[in-house]
Amino acid sequence: NAGVTQTPKFRVLKTGQSMTLLCAQDMNHEYMYWYRQDPGMGLRLIHYSVGEGTTAKGEVPDGYNVSRLKKQNFLLGLESAAPSQTSVYFCASTTRTGGVSYNEQFFGPGTRLTVL
Amino acid sequence: RKEVEQDPGPFNVPEGATVAFNCTYSNSASQSFFWYRQDCRKEPKLLMSVYSSGNEDGRFTAQLNRASQYISLLIRDSKLSDSATYLCVALSGSARQLTFGSGTQLTVLP
Repeated sequence: NAGVTQTPKFRVLKTGQSMTLLCAQDMNHEYMYWYRQDPGMGLRLIHYSVGEGTTAKGEVPDGYNVSRLKKQNFLLGLESAAPSQTSVYFCASTTRTGGVSYNEQFFGPGTRLTVL
Repeated sequence: RKEVEQDPGPFNVPEGATVAFNCTYSNSASQSFFWYRQDCRKEPKLLMSVYSSGNEDGRFTAQLNRASQYISLLIRDSKLSDSATYLCVALSGSARQLTFGSGTQLTVLP
């Protein structure tokens, strides 16, 4: 099992450019999340999804859009990148049903994005 | 006020020392609590869950006080490999959203 993977690992954008970050999980998890992590601020929830075709806003959704067309994939889009979106982006997933990993979120390795 | 607050440190301790981290949370509706560990430039990983009755896993002990909205993590006999950032985390909501503290940095010195 690869767990949670993220593409790309690094990216540099110019202000105004757009891009999509891809998150994929092979654990058949229903719930998926996108976070951003800035120095000294911990992780903050951007958007999340409780199942295929559903998405919801988290704490800091402005400037981002998401889509969950397939259960295993969760895409994060930046339509017009701004320097304030320079950050490390983490994707995570967890299961809806009970079990050992019921409350644990499994994280991908992160995408380091710089917007110039 | 942040929903989950931690002392950012850094904590620099010698090998073998005992170190304690504290955390407070403001959302009384939070359902569960955790400590995650994050190594430099890596993803967070679950260290342990936190229960009111206390939770011990080897050298690590976590405690929750719901009345005070206070969470703690105790590390005994520190090892060099314990050097990392420790994140205090609260779970809430039907989608089990996590709210993270800003993290406490620990460096164990030889």
